[in-house]
Amino acid sequence: NAGVTQTPKFQVLKTGQSMTLQCAQDMNHNSMYWYRQDPGMGLRLIYYSASEGTTDKGEVPNGYNVSRLNKREFSLRLESAAPSQTSVYFCASRMASTGPYSNQPQHFGDGTRLSIL
Amino acid sequence: AQKVTQAQTEISVVEKEDVTLDCVYETRDTTYYLFWYKQPPSGELVFLIRRNSFDEQNEISGRYSWNFQKSTSSFNFTITASQVVDSAVYFCALSGYYGGATNKLIFGTGTLLAVQP
Repeated sequence: NAGVTQTPKFQVLKTGQSMTLQCAQDMNHNSMYWYRQDPGMGLRLIYYSASEGTTDKGEVPNGYNVSRLNKREFSLRLESAAPSQTSVYFCASRMASTGPYSNQPQHFGDGTRLSIL
Repeated sequence: AQKVTQAQTEISVVEKEDVTLDCVYETRDTTYYLFWYKQPPSGELVFLIRRNSFDEQNEISGRYSWNFQKSTSSFNFTITASQVVDSAVYFCALSGYYGGATNKLIFGTGTLLAVQP
């Protein structure tokens, strides 16, 4: 059971470099999410994709772009990395809810630890 | 606006002690969901429980129990007879119901639980 797979697990970038974080899920989930986790701040939503073909901004979208490549894959791109983007990035996916009593939990990948020098 | 507050930043207990992790939430939604996630030292996020706003019954799962009280907007988590393996960061999270598509999780800042042998 792979669940949600994130690559790479670790990365070090220099300021100004670009990079794409990959996420794939094999649970046939409709919705996918990207979060960042910073010390003392919990997880904050960067972007999400409610379904294939749609993407929307979350709480902290500046400096990022996303692509929902297909139902399985949702990538996060840093066009010009900045030290403030040093963080742990989590991808999550969720099955669509069918009603108010069936809100499904999000399932998370293992995270990508990104350092920007 | 939705908000989750976990006032306890760090808790340290000795093995076999009981410990309660507090979670207080704010929302204007009449239908909403509360979640607890565990993040062990290895870094992954593990889903523990989901509770909807219509169900105020407490839940027990082995050594874990959850107390949901709408009157005080709280969803507290108790570990009975704690073990070293319970050492982790625990996150409380809140989401609303938006037609089943754009569910977004609002996380608290987490509580680091250290269980000493």
